[in-house]
Amino acid sequence: EAQVTQNPRYLITVTGKKLTVTCSQNMNHEYMSWYRQDPGLGLRQIYYSMNVEVTDKGDVPEGYKVSRKEKRNFPLILESPSPNQTSLYFCASSPLVAGKLFFGSGTQLSVL
Amino acid sequence: DAKTTQPNSMESNEEEPVHLPCNHSTISGTDYIHWYRQLPSQGPEYVIHGLTSNVNNRMASLAIAEDRKSSTLILHRATLRDAAVYYCISDSGGYQKVTFGIGTKLQVIP
Repeated sequence: EAQVTQNPRYLITVTGKKLTVTCSQNMNHEYMSWYRQDPGLGLRQIYYSMNVEVTDKGDVPEGYKVSRKEKRNFPLILESPSPNQTSLYFCASSPLVAGKLFFGSGTQLSVL
Repeated sequence: DAKTTQPNSMESNEEEPVHLPCNHSTISGTDYIHWYRQLPSQGPEYVIHGLTSNVNNRMASLAIAEDRKSSTLILHRATLRDAAVYYCISDSGGYQKVTFGIGTKLQVIP
């Protein structure tokens, strides 16, 4: 089944403790992206990647890192999480040209 | 990618048609118009997209204004399962930097 898989689904952590949220897609898509969703602010793009080893900043990249070493994986790294990064995170992938975006089920992160 | 504007919320009665508007006045000639929806506790899902002509699929229809500065997503018969947040976005074909915004929260009244 074609899908975007995010893990974990829920995560509670403390300020400053490094964490990684994984994202994997099995559709051979070139494009992958991370979003955060906060009440009243909609979905905001954090980082995106057009292909392996190609990443770029979205609208809210501060405090986040990404890497794209393989086509199928696009992990989101929070080196030193802070409470303002408490949010619902979504990973998405798409074929490059005029394709649909496929979203993962989301990761609810709470930073205490 | 052009900025889009949508009403924050709309209501519809069940089994009636729903017209969800979107303004994208700064859209360029090569930007596609996409609609996604997000059901409660789920990630967004694709609904429909188009460039110039009106488009139909099993989920909905997309009516694009002749000047392409606005579009309307049409749900022909709203059901309770259509209650969701609907997002209109535009992109040049590569989703490079895509902003979803707040979308339109559709409430369907039984």
